[in-house]
Amino acid sequence: EVQLVESGGGLVQPGGSLRLSCAASGFTFSSYSMTWVRQAPGKGLEWVSIISPGGGTFYADSVKGRFTISRDSSKNTLYLQMSSLRADDTAAYYCAKKTPGVTEPFDYWGQGTLVTVSS
Amino acid sequence: QSALTQPRSVSGSPGQSVTISCTGTSSDVGGYNSVSWYQQYPGKAPKVMIYEVNKWPSGVPDRFSGSKSGNTASLTISGLQAEDEADYYCCSYAGSNTWVFGGGTKLTVL
Repeated sequence: EVQLVESGGGLVQPGGSLRLSCAASGFTFSSYSMTWVRQAPGKGLEWVSIISPGGGTFYADSVKGRFTISRDSSKNTLYLQMSSLRADDTAAYYCAKKTPGVTEPFDYWGQGTLVTVSS
Repeated sequence: QSALTQPRSVSGSPGQSVTISCTGTSSDVGGYNSVSWYQQYPGKAPKVMIYEVNKWPSGVPDRFSGSKSGNTASLTISGLQAEDEADYYCCSYAGSNTWVFGGGTKLTVL
């Protein structure tokens, strides 16, 4: 059974940093692209970033230069390093597994971890 | 990377059909057969219901169907059931290894 468990969320001050983790199990983690999607309170989903099996990384314009996605296949873990955090980064952050191919969906999702940026 | 446009809400009675639209541009919806639809209950993770415009993942009932015409994709739910009441989001590949979601539609089953 595929499982994705996010952690690392919490309260952080504007301008601060935070690292999110996503522990994966039930599939060959190293073979799949992994993505982060966020959802501000009461708002819609927003795609944030994706990392390919080979380590290629891509970002939404809203986080480019501030967030860094990475993966450790020895630990089956996905990360999102967030810096220069702003109030509008406040959201639940979900990690999701990507089915191979650009037309394919994000087929499994974690339950999310909440990040609150506030002074 | 502008969000795709969805109606904020739709409603229907049990047994009826409802359609949710998702409008983008030729750079996303219109440019790729990559529209997927996600169902989300409050406080829960999204679940894929349709992918590649009109394909069903295993376990999704065929009451859910998808289509696309030009820059607009649509999700139709037929034989509406109370359990279908949820938020629905479209998502499209937008080129250069980026994706874009719609703003979401709240479906109310009357």
